Amino acid sequence: KAGVTQTPRYLIKTRGQQVTLSCSPISGHRSVSWYQQTPGQGLQFLFEYFSETQRNKGNFPGRFSGRQFSNSRSEMNVSTLELGDSALYLCASSLNIATNEKLFFGSGTQLSVL
Amino acid sequence: GQQVMQIPQYQHVQEGEDFTTYCNSSTTLSNIQWYKQRPGGHPVFLIQLVKSGEVKKQKRLTFQFGEAKKNSSLHITATQTTDVGTYFCAGRRGNKLTFGGGTRVLVKP
Repeated sequence: KAGVTQTPRYLIKTRGQQVTLSCSPISGHRSVSWYQQTPGQGLQFLFEYFSETQRNKGNFPGRFSGRQFSNSRSEMNVSTLELGDSALYLCASSLNIATNEKLFFGSGTQLSVL
Repeated sequence: GQQVMQIPQYQHVQEGEDFTTYCNSSTTLSNIQWYKQRPGGHPVFLIQLVKSGEVKKQKRLTFQFGEAKKNSSLHITATQTTDVGTYFCAGRRGNKLTFGGGTRVLVKP
């Protein structure tokens, strides 16, 4: 089975631009979560989607948004980029949204904002 | 909101020695998960603990869930260079999974 696939792997943008990141979960997985990872800040939860609905949301500004498609693939969008948005964005999938599910992470998208 | 703290933030270990990393939650958890992230890699699931006082072992790794289900520990014996990486705990309460800041482990050969 193929793992979680994230594209692109690297991205360089300038302040004020917007960006869209893509995540394809493991086949059969219906839940997708997004995390932001910066040095010293650990993994900060962005949002979680299940069956095309946002089920949970972290404490990020409205510039961060996401969606999930009927095939469980997910995208996240960041508008009006700021320097502080530079980070590794990780997507994780799980079979369901049940509380005992383990997460399978993709390799991430490294976003640099100049 | 729910907070999960991990200590220490950094752990320098001599190869062959033991060490322990700790995870503490501000609230009671339904379960706790541990992940390992190798340098340049992504987090990989190690284990999940559900019951109060539960202890699980994976070769040289021993995971424990506290009696009050608010803390957890990971103990590694006879550390090897392959243990290098960042270890994250993630506490689940309801439908929220909160990650700790991680313990970055560096091994001195």
